[in-house]
Amino acid sequence: EVQVVESGGGLIQPGGSLRLSCAASGFTVSSNHMSWVRQAPGKGLEWVSVVYSGGTTNYADSVKGRFTISRDDSKNTLYLQMNSLRAEDTAVYYCARGLQHFFDYWGQGTLVTVSS
Amino acid sequence: DIQMTQSPSTLSASVGDRVTITCRASQSISSWLAWYQQRPGKAPKLLIYKASSLESGVPSRFSGSGSGTEFTLTISSLQPDDFASYYCQQYNTYPLAFGGGTQVEIK
Repeated sequence: EVQVVESGGGLIQPGGSLRLSCAASGFTVSSNHMSWVRQAPGKGLEWVSVVYSGGTTNYADSVKGRFTISRDDSKNTLYLQMNSLRAEDTAVYYCARGLQHFFDYWGQGTLVTVSS
Repeated sequence: DIQMTQSPSTLSASVGDRVTITCRASQSISSWLAWYQQRPGKAPKLLIYKASSLESGVPSRFSGSGSGTEFTLTISSLQPDDFASYYCQQYNTYPLAFGGGTQVEIK
């Protein structure tokens, strides 16, 4: 059974850092395009970042230079390192498997709250 | 960047109604469009990909159509489980983009 489980969210002060994890089972992370998608409270979905199966990465302009996506193939896990966090980064962060760049499996999400 | 615009933002309907949601892209995306359903507090669920292909396990009352810049999601007979939010997503080019969402409410 395909499953993705996010962890690592929490309350963090503006300017702080946080690392999210996404543990996958039932498929191989490195064979798929894996993305992070976020949703601010009461708002719509926003694509954040992707690591393609080949290993290259891409980012939304809103997080470029502050967030870094990576994967650990030995752990079949995806990560999102978030630095210089801002209030506008407050959201539920979802890990999603990209099938031809649309998303067929999503995790349950992890909430990141940036506030002093 | 490609912008995705959904309409309406909110829709009130009754069980058994036929419902149509529209999604417009700011430039042509061919058929590279997906639709998702999201219930409150839950992750999005894939319904349709490549504009009109039904994801496995999704009821046949859901259908998608369109190409280029204009797309529709239709629910042929609204069921109680269908009261939720719906999002379109273009995957023609990065950055990937979602529409603003349509909330389907009970009339």
